[in-house]
Amino acid sequence: QQQVKQSPQSLIVQKGGISIINCAYENTAFDYFPWYQQFPGKGPALLIAIRPDVSEKKEGRFTISFNKSAKQFSLHIMDSQPGDSATYFCAARAWNTGNQFYFGTGTSLTVIP
Amino acid sequence: GAGVSQTPSNKVTEKGKYVELRCDPISGHTALYWYRQSLGQGPEFLIYFQGTGAADDSGLPNDRFFAVRPEGSVSTLKIQRTERGDSAVYLCASSRTSGSDEQFFGPGTRLTVL
Repeated sequence: QQQVKQSPQSLIVQKGGISIINCAYENTAFDYFPWYQQFPGKGPALLIAIRPDVSEKKEGRFTISFNKSAKQFSLHIMDSQPGDSATYFCAARAWNTGNQFYFGTGTSLTVIP
Repeated sequence: GAGVSQTPSNKVTEKGKYVELRCDPISGHTALYWYRQSLGQGPEFLIYFQGTGAADDSGLPNDRFFAVRPEGSVSTLKIQRTERGDSAVYLCASSRTSGSDEQFFGPGTRLTVL
């Protein structure tokens, strides 16, 4: 059972465009929502994270939008660059089940020059 | 400073064999996690250590999988009687403490069971 549902599976965006990746969850015990970026042959690296007490968090070109009532959150990459081409994973952690992360299935982003 | 390191980077073995995968966490990090990532999927939790003890091993798929962290630093994931379905990338992550938000991932060990 996938605890965090992620879409789309793949995304192609022109350089300078906006990339949007969406995630949804059901578990109301989730209290921390990170996004990880993974390049081929590398481990995932934290990109940006949010807690449910805020609706938006922005760091540079990366923004997380969070809708607590809808149990959805999304990653927006502004001014997408070819160097952003990677696989992106959303994740969530529950306050009552230890420190494991539940990951989405990933989105393969390709930014075309 | 050095990040999380994992050895070997690749391991090819035959069905039924025993394998050990090693993880060196970031120095001073007390929490250590093992995840398994199958092709085209996100990482799936296996086990979490706080210090030397396994605080949560609920993700281990069966009793062929075992992990240790005897001195609270390096950890070894052990898989007995490997099966073709065990083929995946095994990721290790560490965090400063069990309450820390960020988990720092290593590059993974790609295990292929023939």
